[in-house]
Amino acid sequence: DQQVKQNSPSLSVQEGRISILNCDYTNSMFDYFLWYKKYPAEGPTFLISISSIKDKNEDGRFTVFLNKSAKHLSLHIVPSQPGDSAVYFCAASAYSGGSNYKLTFGKGTLLTVNP
Amino acid sequence: GAGVSQSPSNKVTEKGKDVELRCDPISGHTALYWYRQSLGQGLEFLIYFQGNSAPDKSGLPSDRFSAERTGGSVSTLTIQRTQQEDSAVYLCASSLRQTSYEQYFGPGTRLTVT
Repeated sequence: DQQVKQNSPSLSVQEGRISILNCDYTNSMFDYFLWYKKYPAEGPTFLISISSIKDKNEDGRFTVFLNKSAKHLSLHIVPSQPGDSAVYFCAASAYSGGSNYKLTFGKGTLLTVNP
Repeated sequence: GAGVSQSPSNKVTEKGKDVELRCDPISGHTALYWYRQSLGQGLEFLIYFQGNSAPDKSGLPSDRFSAERTGGSVSTLTIQRTQQEDSAVYLCASSLRQTSYEQYFGPGTRLTVT
């Protein structure tokens, strides 16, 4: 049972345009959401996050939007650059009584930004 | 500063053999996680260590999997009697403290069981 879903395995955009990566979740206990970027042969690196008390968080070219009622979040990259080409993972966390913050990941979306 | 390191980067083993994977977290990070990523799948949580507390082993897929963290730093993930379905990239991550959602990942160990 996949609790975090990234339904688009890949996305291709032109340099300078907007990239929109989508993520859906099913667990209503999730209260924190993160996006990680992964290049080949490297571990994922943290990109941006959002708490469930917010609906938007912006960091430079990256903005994450959260729609709690729809259990949906999206990552917008504007303008897209060829260096943004990577696999993007959506992840979610549910506070579990102080014991840990284990992340539940989606399968990832491969973003290709064409020059 | 130095990031999370993992060794070996690649491991090929025969079915039935035991393997040990090593993780060196970022110095000072008290929380350590193991994940694995099978082909075409997302990262799957395996185990979590926080300081001297008992580890959260809820993600380990079978009793063939075990992990230790010695001295609150280095961790080893051991897989006994490996099976072909164990083939995956095993990723280690650490975070500064229990309350930090942002985890820093190592490059992973690619395990292939033949």
